[in-house]
This record gives sequence, structure tokens and C-alpha cells, in this order.
Amino acid sequence: GAGVSQSPSNKVTEKGKDVELRCDPISGHTALYWYRQSLGQGLEFLIYFQGNSAPDKSGLPSDRFSAERTGGSVSTLTIQRTQQEDSAVYLCASSLAPTGTSSYEQYFGPGTRLTVT
Amino acid sequence: QKEVEQNSGPLSVPEGAIASLNCTYSDRGSQSFFWYRQYSGKSPELIMSIYSNGDKEDGRFTAQLNKASQYVSLLIRDSQPSDSATYLCAVRNYGQNFVFGPGTRLSVLP
Repeated sequence: GAGVSQSPSNKVTEKGKDVELRCDPISGHTALYWYRQSLGQGLEFLIYFQGNSAPDKSGLPSDRFSAERTGGSVSTLTIQRTQQEDSAVYLCASSLAPTGTSSYEQYFGPGTRLTVT
Repeated sequence: QKEVEQNSGPLSVPEGAIASLNCTYSDRGSQSFFWYRQYSGKSPELIMSIYSNGDKEDGRFTAQLNKASQYVSLLIRDSQPSDSATYLCAVRNYGQNFVFGPGTRLSVLP
């Protein structure tokens, strides 16, 4: 079946511009996560959505970052007034509803490489 | 601060050998444990999940969990050059709170 998809795969933007990154989770997966991975670094948690519950925004690095999830499916991560330190690969992952142990397994999309010049 | 630690490597093993990757975590209440493989320039790919103490085997991979020692490991038998990648350990602490380790870079030498 189809995996997690993300678009665009690459985005180059000028400092100060806003960008939107899109994630389409695996069909039937109710949990959706956004992570950031800088070059040579580990994964940094950004935000988590589960069904219709309020999202866990505890990982967002600043108020320039926001995310929404429409209809419990597609999610958009928005970065306003981009800075050079925002350059990274932004990864989206999805998992099943947490009703059993295996449902916590996350499956990642291919990522969006963001470069802020 | 809940942490997950891994040796950054690189860990070099000859082809056909057993590669042993280790991970320690700080939150004693951690409940689920995962190993991901990440090739350079690619996204993480789930290899194994383990939830209870002991060993879990899947093909050439064995995950080992010791909650008392707060330690989880991944063994790769008959290592192949195609196993060369960065291996990420991930720990679920509560709810959907996940922490990823920094990863161990594995190099399998032909």
C-alpha cells in the first residue's frame, strides 16, 4: 500500500519568506508526527497529532512554527519568516491509533529538504 | 531530561560478522522500544520493535531488551555491506512521547 508522502521533496527559500510543507499519512493512521533532522544530527520532535485531540506542540522551537491537520488526515507544517537555522530535513511519520503495542510503530515519509538562503 | 544514548560510531565490522548496536535510556518508565535504519540521504526505516524483556528475532536481526538495566540492543547476524547505515534507537516514554537517540553509524567492510 501507499506509504507516507511529503511534498515538496526539496524547497529553497529566501530568509524571511514563509514556507508550507505537506504530509499525507498512511491511510487509516490516526497519529501523525513532525520531526526535524539537521545535517548529521538526530531527530528532533516538533509536533504530534492524534485523531481529533489537541496536538502536542511541545517540540515546536519558536512561534514561527505552526502545524495543522485537516480532516484527521493531511497535515501542513508552516514556518513563517524563515531563518537560516531552519535549514534541515523535515520528516513526517504516521502510526495507527494507540490501541495496542504495535500501533506505536511509526512509518516515515521521504522528508522535505528545506534550504534557507 | 529524558535521554536516549547511543555510541555515535562508526562501528566497523567485517562482512559476515555479528554487529552489536547498543542503546541506553534514562526514563525507567519507558514502555516501547524501536530500532530504525537510516541510509545516508534517506528517511528512517523501521526494523524492529520490542516491548518486553528478552530477545525478539526477525531474520538476521535480534532485538534485546533489559528494562532493569535500561538497555536495549540490536544484533545483526551475517552482516552485509548493504547493512551499512545509521541505526537509530527510539524510546516511547508515555502516551506518544518518543525520544530518538543520535544514532550509531555502522560500516560493514567487504
